[in-house]
Amino acid sequence: GAVVSQHPSWVICKSGTSVKIECRSLDFQATTMFWYRQFPKQSLMLMATSNEGSKATYEQGVEKDKFLINHASLTLSTLTVTSAHPEDSSFYICSTGADRGSLGYTFGSGTRLTVV
Amino acid sequence: GENVEQHPSTLSVQEGDSAVIKCTYSDSASNYFPWYKQELGKGPQLIIDIRSNVGEKKDQRIAVTLNKTAKHFSLHITETQPEDSAVYFCAALVSGNTPLVFGKGTRLSVIA
Repeated sequence: GAVVSQHPSWVICKSGTSVKIECRSLDFQATTMFWYRQFPKQSLMLMATSNEGSKATYEQGVEKDKFLINHASLTLSTLTVTSAHPEDSSFYICSTGADRGSLGYTFGSGTRLTVV
Repeated sequence: GENVEQHPSTLSVQEGDSAVIKCTYSDSASNYFPWYKQELGKGPQLIIDIRSNVGEKKDQRIAVTLNKTAKHFSLHITETQPEDSAVYFCAALVSGNTPLVFGKGTRLSVIA
């Protein structure tokens, strides 16, 4: 199956700083990536859809200037949390879309962000 | 839009017993239904999926059934083992390359 590499797996940063999370598709070209946020004991909440070479589409209530998504190549999508605050602490997960001719959305291993 | 309901939210079973998790969906246009297993601190992992033109699919101890008329699908795990303990999510997809719509998850505990 598809392999998606997400880094870092965890990060601790100070309030006001920015953090970049990378999501790489290792064995196929991902034209679409989805970014999710997950709070403890809750389901995945879709934040945005990124398409290679175009602007991301953000879900209602997600600040696009705070959560910057870049999908400049078919193998890399990044999420940058800008001016992070403690309330941004969460588990962030990326996922591919249906790019392989079959329906097989593959998730990254997730990034635990803690803002102190 | 699509809405997926998942039950139960928590489930405890004795090792060796079966576990069943049920989901319903609202959009009859949904045509793909994956199940994911998520262990603590990790991303969801696809364990089985089913398309709308199939009523049942089995992979060793795991099976999924789909009732399109009733718009519900279920995950069946037989001969449960402690390593099956995790959170399980069902999802539905209306059309290709759009986001999956997830249920709220079921925390399964298998007691040895």
